[in-house]
Amino acid sequence: DAKTTQPNSMESNEEEPVHLPCNHSTISGTDYIHWYRQLPSQGPEYVIHGLTSNVNNRMASLAIAEDRKSSTLILHRATLRDAAVYYCILRDSGGSQGNLIFGKGTKLSVKP
Amino acid sequence: ETGVTQSPTHLIKTRGQQVTLRCSSQSGHNTVSWYQQALGQGPQFIFQYYREEENGRGNFPPRFSGLQFPNYSSELNVNALELDDSALYLCASSFGVGAGELFFGEGSRLTVL
Repeated sequence: DAKTTQPNSMESNEEEPVHLPCNHSTISGTDYIHWYRQLPSQGPEYVIHGLTSNVNNRMASLAIAEDRKSSTLILHRATLRDAAVYYCILRDSGGSQGNLIFGKGTKLSVKP
Repeated sequence: ETGVTQSPTHLIKTRGQQVTLRCSSQSGHNTVSWYQQALGQGPQFIFQYYREEENGRGNFPPRFSGLQFPNYSSELNVNALELDDSALYLCASSFGVGAGELFFGEGSRLTVL
């Protein structure tokens, strides 16, 4: 699986939008871009994923660059509960295994 | 619908002992994966079971072994515990293998003294 690069940490104010960047310059054509987050003392939870087009769900939006070498997870209005480590992960859609390769992620702090 | 449950939540062992961790997958899921998460690091893939067969393994020694049962629940066994095995062990379930969403439990925190 190709690797991703994320900032170690970011800060946000409550109720403001947050843009979490991810670089994946070696992404292949069959790699999906997945985001998971891990709240303190919990297991990771799925946030969103996409292939080429931008995606929206109830938790967040995913903006994918046209060349697919970078993407941005957008939290439209950060809440204190969004404070977590966010992981950007590439997954091969044609793979025979479902394992995720986690990096260190971005630790998001949200200030009231 | 119940989520992924793991037991025990915390345990302490001494070096050289053996440990068994258990995981009940989410209803309808037939695939279970295990991950090890050291403090301050992202989770690392140990292995995956699909329909009771090992379907992939990360860079972990043979003393890490597992089982999946007909009801798709799973066990992780670690023999000859070492201090570096102290970590949070996470179980994740999914339907099938490939690029689908994984559902994680809250983990079992193992401390090896």
